[in-house]
Amino acid sequence: TQLLEQSPQFLSIQEGENLTVYCNSSSVFSSLQWYRQEPGEGPVLLVTVVTGGEVKKLKRLTFQFGDARKDSSLHITAAQPGDTGLYLCAALRPGNQFYFGTGTSLTVIP
Amino acid sequence: DSGVTQTPKHLITATGQRVTLRCSPRSGDLSVYWYQQSLDQGLQFLIQYYNGEERAKGNILERFSAQQFPDLHSELNLSSLELGDSALYFCASSVESGGPRDTQYFGPGTRLTVL
Repeated sequence: TQLLEQSPQFLSIQEGENLTVYCNSSSVFSSLQWYRQEPGEGPVLLVTVVTGGEVKKLKRLTFQFGDARKDSSLHITAAQPGDTGLYLCAALRPGNQFYFGTGTSLTVIP
Repeated sequence: DSGVTQTPKHLITATGQRVTLRCSPRSGDLSVYWYQQSLDQGLQFLIQYYNGEERAKGNILERFSAQQFPDLHSELNLSSLELGDSALYFCASSVESGGPRDTQYFGPGTRLTVL
């Protein structure tokens, strides 16, 4: 059983469409991060959320941390081909251990 | 370019062998993290070092070991290799010892293939 379950696992959409990716857990986290990973490269941090209910925006990307700090979502508005990649959520657990989610592979078709 | 370097980029070896992966953190970063990424397990945290000392341990097998040297570069040693050890191995570095505000910067990874 994965600590952080992401859905959907795969997503293929047309350029200009909106989408939402979810990261869910039964555990409570002090913070949660979202990364994007492109083929052949390491993950790159997009955002860190630390407060329950927090919403952060990064251009066309909107991140939300659930009120109970157990889940998070990433919403992309008007997706572009440059958004293609693997999106990973990650959480820090006691003992300074980092857990990554199962990942969502996004393909944006021009 | 994250500023984290990893060598080698690719490594092909046989079962039962031992290999060493190397990581140089970004200038000024004191923490080094090692991760394994495979298709079936996803991205798994292995171990973290901070300023030469082990700081946190994840799902690292006993056949694997790591260390961080005085110049802050780190090496991950994998021994008695099995087919299932084939994966991408990432190193990441950060300024501090961890925590939600401590950003990790990932290297480009080493792709290990065990035949």
